[in-house]
Amino acid sequence: KAGVTQTPRYLIKTRGQQVTLSCSPISGHRSVSWYQQTPGQGLQFLFEYFSETQRNKGNFPGRFSGRQFSNSRSEMNVSTLELGDSALYLCASSLRRDRADTQYFGPGTRLTVL
Amino acid sequence: DQQVKQNSPSLSVQEGRISILNCDYTNSMFDYFLWYKKYPAEGPTFLISISSIKDKNEDGRFTVFLNKSAKHLSLHIVPSQPGDSAVYFCAASASGHEKLQFGAGTQVVVTP
Repeated sequence: KAGVTQTPRYLIKTRGQQVTLSCSPISGHRSVSWYQQTPGQGLQFLFEYFSETQRNKGNFPGRFSGRQFSNSRSEMNVSTLELGDSALYLCASSLRRDRADTQYFGPGTRLTVL
Repeated sequence: DQQVKQNSPSLSVQEGRISILNCDYTNSMFDYFLWYKKYPAEGPTFLISISSIKDKNEDGRFTVFLNKSAKHLSLHIVPSQPGDSAVYFCAASASGHEKLQFGAGTQVVVTP
């Protein structure tokens, strides 16, 4: 069974631009969560989608948004990029929304904002 | 506001010895805890979990201990192997809130 895939793996943007990251969950998984990883901060929860609906949201500004498609694939968008948005963005999928369900992470997208 | 804290950013241990990773939390509503392991250029992978109704959970070389009164959990790896060199993240969640709160991670280096 293929794992969680994220594209692109690396991205370089400049301040003010916008970016879209993509995540394809494990086949059959319906829950997709996004996290931002920065040094010293660990993984910060961005949002969770299930059945094309955002179910949970972390404490990030409105510049961060996402969506989920009917095939469970998810995209995350960051508008008006700032230097502080440079981070590893991780996507995780699970079968259901049950927290006992293991979350499987993708390798992440490394975003650098210059 | 970091509700899950891993105060040791790094840990060096000799192969064959015990690795002890610590994690503290501040939210008394947390009742489910997990440890994830992350290698460079890969996403975190689930290692072991524990529910607040237990104080210990074991899986092979990995044991997690939970001290609810101290709001503290620890991960023991015995014996440590070179392949255990990775970043370990502690995570927690509260019932009814599916999102996980992660700590900042501890880099473990196992030396021969």
